[in-house]
Amino acid sequence: NAGVMQNPRHLVRRRGQEARLRCSPMKGHSHVYWYRQLPEEGLKFMVYLQKENIIDESGMPKERFSAEFPKEGPSILRIQQVVRGDSAAYFCASSPGTPAAGNTIYFGEGSWLTVV
Amino acid sequence: DQQVKQNSPSLSVQEGRISILNCDYTNSMFDYFLWYKKYPAEGPTFLISISSIKDKNEDGRFTVFLNKSAKHLSLHIVPSQPGDSAVYFCAALDEKLTFGTGTRLTIIP
Repeated sequence: NAGVMQNPRHLVRRRGQEARLRCSPMKGHSHVYWYRQLPEEGLKFMVYLQKENIIDESGMPKERFSAEFPKEGPSILRIQQVVRGDSAAYFCASSPGTPAAGNTIYFGEGSWLTVV
Repeated sequence: DQQVKQNSPSLSVQEGRISILNCDYTNSMFDYFLWYKKYPAEGPTFLISISSIKDKNEDGRFTVFLNKSAKHLSLHIVPSQPGDSAVYFCAALDEKLTFGTGTRLTIIP
């Protein structure tokens, strides 16, 4: 019973390149969340997706960042033209249903992005 | 606008004693609260949760207390063990999880 799987675990990109982070939710989970943890800070909500739909993207930067959760395959967090300030740990989480219904949200191990 | 606050960035407790981690929130729409534990270079691990209709939930060494009128919750760990040393995040739920900034707990052998 695999947990939330994220890859790559570590990614190094030069400024201006693109970063793609992938997340496979737990089996049976159709709700995916992305969080970012900057150095020495807490976890900040970025986006909440259900299959093929973005439910809440209030935490996503307005430019360069996008997320998708297609009908088939993992969720992807895409960062275009990365800058040094994008260096952070990106955590994906999933739940089987609506959080408001009390479904626990489980986290992956994270993807560490370093921009050089 | 920090809706979930953990005012103690760090806490040190002697092994075997009680660890008490505190959390305050401002949004009265939050109806479910969770505590997560996080080791360096790992993802947060769910510990325990509490619904807003309860004031206490217990699971082994972990107990969470909720005071709705004060908009305050706390996590009690007793007895504290060296393996409990980690960063603890309080999180509150409406449509999504909003996290506090975390408290680094160090258990002193």
